[in-house]
Amino acid sequence: DAGVTQSPTHLIKTRGQHVTLRCSPISGHKSVSWYQQVLGQGPQFIFQYYEKEERGRGNFPDRFSARQFPNYSSELNVNALLLGDSALYLCASSYSGNTIYFGEGSWLTVV
Amino acid sequence: AQRVTQPEKLLSVFKGAPVELKCNYSYSGSPELFWYVQYSRQRLQLLLRHISRESIKGFTADLNKGETSFHLKKPFAQEEDSAMYYCASYPISGGYNKLIFGAGTRLAVHP
Repeated sequence: DAGVTQSPTHLIKTRGQHVTLRCSPISGHKSVSWYQQVLGQGPQFIFQYYEKEERGRGNFPDRFSARQFPNYSSELNVNALLLGDSALYLCASSYSGNTIYFGEGSWLTVV
Repeated sequence: AQRVTQPEKLLSVFKGAPVELKCNYSYSGSPELFWYVQYSRQRLQLLLRHISRESIKGFTADLNKGETSFHLKKPFAQEEDSAMYYCASYPISGGYNKLIFGAGTRLAVHP
């Protein structure tokens, strides 16, 4: 059974650009959440979606947005990229509040 | 603000020595606490959660409400235990998947 899959695995963007990161949850999981992990720190919660509705938002600016599709996959969008947005972006899925499973992440470098 | 603190960035021990990875949380009440582990080149995965009171790979963790701690222990470290360990908690306000992580402790077990 495939785990949480994320794409792309690595990408480099220029300041001011926009980026879209994608996530496919484990089959049957309806909840998806996104985390940002800056080098040397633990993951920080960005968003949670359940049944295509936003259920939680962390302390991130409005440049960050996300959505969940009918097949429960999800996208994280970041506009007007800053150097400080360089990080590992993790997607996680779960079945109704049980164990959270993480993907391998998308490494974003902003230059 | 709710906070999970891991005071040590690096813990270095020899094989067979006891290990204690420290975790403190900043709020009162009945938190739900977890330990996650990330082995080299692998995704973040759940090691154990306090509510299940189980022992995984020889690791145990006890919730001490008086000291607001949830330290991870193992009596005899193995080289394969070398990894990054993160303590995490759900926020008091609730919300599954909205984990608050500590900064992590790197455990290095030497032969």
